[in-house]
Amino acid sequence: RKEVEQDPGPFNVPEGATVAFNCTYSNSASQSFFWYRQDCRKEPKLLMSVYSSGNEDGRFTAQLNRASQYISLLIRDSKLSDSATYLCVVNSGGYQKVTFGIGTKLQVIP
Amino acid sequence: NAGVTQTPKFQVLKTGQSMTLQCAQDMNHNSMYWYRQDPGMGLRLIYYSASEGTTDKGEVPNGYNVSRLNKREFSLRLESAAPSQTSVYFCASTGQVNQPQHFGDGTRLSIL
Repeated sequence: RKEVEQDPGPFNVPEGATVAFNCTYSNSASQSFFWYRQDCRKEPKLLMSVYSSGNEDGRFTAQLNRASQYISLLIRDSKLSDSATYLCVVNSGGYQKVTFGIGTKLQVIP
Repeated sequence: NAGVTQTPKFQVLKTGQSMTLQCAQDMNHNSMYWYRQDPGMGLRLIYYSASEGTTDKGEVPNGYNVSRLNKREFSLRLESAAPSQTSVYFCASTGQVNQPQHFGDGTRLSIL
């Protein structure tokens, strides 16, 4: 089993739709979790940290499920500008224990 | 604030040539990282520097060397470039290990 697994997609959704991505991780000792956004040929940019209690930032909601070892990202009212690749990042407690998923590609269609 | 700055943005090399990728951050971060990103693969760690004066190998260090010149700067050197090193290289930094990393805008390197 890979350390961090994501469905690469693409997810093609109409504007205004709600879409959710999951990311599973294998190390139960993982300590911190993040979602990044990466536009084509650009650098990854932090979208949000994922806390045990869950967190929300506008149209974006992130959740952590430690029992099932996955994190999720929910995007409500999708915009064309949300089209990007979403990377999940899991830190298992060391400088070389930060693992990036391969990313899930989202395409929002007019 | 510039954040993390990488130079050059693009480079084409011939097999066997050498070059150094430069990275500087102005966020007073302790830790810095070099990654490569290839199609269909996640970011892979080449080397990291937990703090000024220290460097350690990551997942894919072969063919690379690094120097943590000071707290701000962390360079990546290819001594004898190979076509397999064609990739996009990202530098990142973070204040503490459990904090999110901040990335530079990348160097697109092609080796012919």
